[in-house]
Amino acid sequence: DAGVIQSPRHEVTEMGQEVTLRCKPISGHNSLFWYRQTMMRGLELLIYFNNNVPIDDSGMPEDRFSAKMPNASFSTLKIQPSEPRDSAVYFCASSLAGRHQPQHFGDGTRLSIL
Amino acid sequence: TQLLEQSPQFLSIQEGENLTVYCNSSSVFSSLQWYRQEPGEGPVLLVTVVTGGEVKKLKRLTFQFGDARKDSSLHITAAQPGDTGLYLCAGSKTSYDKVIFGPGTSLSVIP
Repeated sequence: DAGVIQSPRHEVTEMGQEVTLRCKPISGHNSLFWYRQTMMRGLELLIYFNNNVPIDDSGMPEDRFSAKMPNASFSTLKIQPSEPRDSAVYFCASSLAGRHQPQHFGDGTRLSIL
Repeated sequence: TQLLEQSPQFLSIQEGENLTVYCNSSSVFSSLQWYRQEPGEGPVLLVTVVTGGEVKKLKRLTFQFGDARKDSSLHITAAQPGDTGLYLCAGSKTSYDKVIFGPGTSLSVIP
């Protein structure tokens, strides 16, 4: 079975450029989560969607960050303009909605902003 | 302020030793989950505990949820190099609340 698919796996770009990260959740899952992981701050929830609707975006650090989920099988996280402090590993996860449902993570996108 | 604290932060042990890592909070959680993350990969769920005092076993791993549902422990018996990874606990305060992750315990098992 296909798991959560993220692309690209690695991204290196210069500051000021627009960055778009992509995620395909597991088919049938109706909750989708975007996380950022750094050594300093650990795994932080940025935003999560339920049935394609953003439920909680309180973790989105700044207006430079935006996320969309146009349909049940695709989501994007965009950073514009990017800054060096945005360098991190970004994970997408999906789950079924409901009590205590496990989250299934993709392998992440390692983002480096020079 | 971390809602979930994990200890120790780093642990390096020899193959065959036993170990316990801890996840603590001042808040009550409706459930706690343990994940293991290997380098270059996303976290993978190991177990979910929902009842205070609950104990779950997964081969050589034993998970316990505290009676007051504020803490949890993970005990590994006879650790193997394959157990190496970052162990994350994650909790939600209500059944439908978002999950909060702890900072993790980085475990290294030396052959």
